[in-house]
Amino acid sequence: AQSVAQPEDQVNVAEGNPLTVKCTYSVSGNPYLFWYVQYPNRGLQFLLKYITGDNLVKGSYGFEAEFNKSQTSFHLKKPSALVSDSALYFCAVRDANNNAGNMLTFGGGTRLMVKP
Amino acid sequence: GAGVSQSPSNKVTEKGKDVELRCDPISGHTALYWYRQSLGQGLEFLIYFQGNSAPDKSGLPSDRFSAERTGGSVSTLTIQRTQQEDSAVYLCASSPWGGHGRNEQFFGPGTRLTVL
Repeated sequence: AQSVAQPEDQVNVAEGNPLTVKCTYSVSGNPYLFWYVQYPNRGLQFLLKYITGDNLVKGSYGFEAEFNKSQTSFHLKKPSALVSDSALYFCAVRDANNNAGNMLTFGGGTRLMVKP
Repeated sequence: GAGVSQSPSNKVTEKGKDVELRCDPISGHTALYWYRQSLGQGLEFLIYFQGNSAPDKSGLPSDRFSAERTGGSVSTLTIQRTQQEDSAVYLCASSPWGGHGRNEQFFGPGTRLTVL
């Protein structure tokens, strides 16, 4: 079975400060990890993914995430937050060894609030 | 190019009525997914289509829910005898096959269903 946990329902940060949105996962094999962002009344937009290779992955809008196998984490980060980053963020995982299909399991989401 | 489209964007129905929700995936994408997102919640997987293979229906919450995908393209999610607990945003996503599940999913804007 595969699962994802986003331990924080909401993260508050001041504009210009660094931000971190936490994600931990559980899979039996190797993970494929994804981050998506959802703006109000919109569908999810892909931000970045880790498949293999470098643990630090860079994505859209200046976001990056670091894969940490020993801690089974894939935290989303940005050096300097913008008010426009305020949105709902979802982490997702797929077990690379899962032969059942292209199934993604999503975390419950973390609301990021960036204040001016 | 055109993204994933869904119709209608909003649907209000009375308890006990049947509803049909439509998804047009990105052209050439062989994988199609339906998810349900309740207010402020994460994504609940419903059903997954991959090419001509039998769909994975493991996420459908009851036998009132069904979906089909005609010609490997457009998909329709049908909810019979709607209940108030069916009220949610229904999201469709598509992705290209191949890459052993490494591909991200592209989401539509969703259909907001309200059952009175």
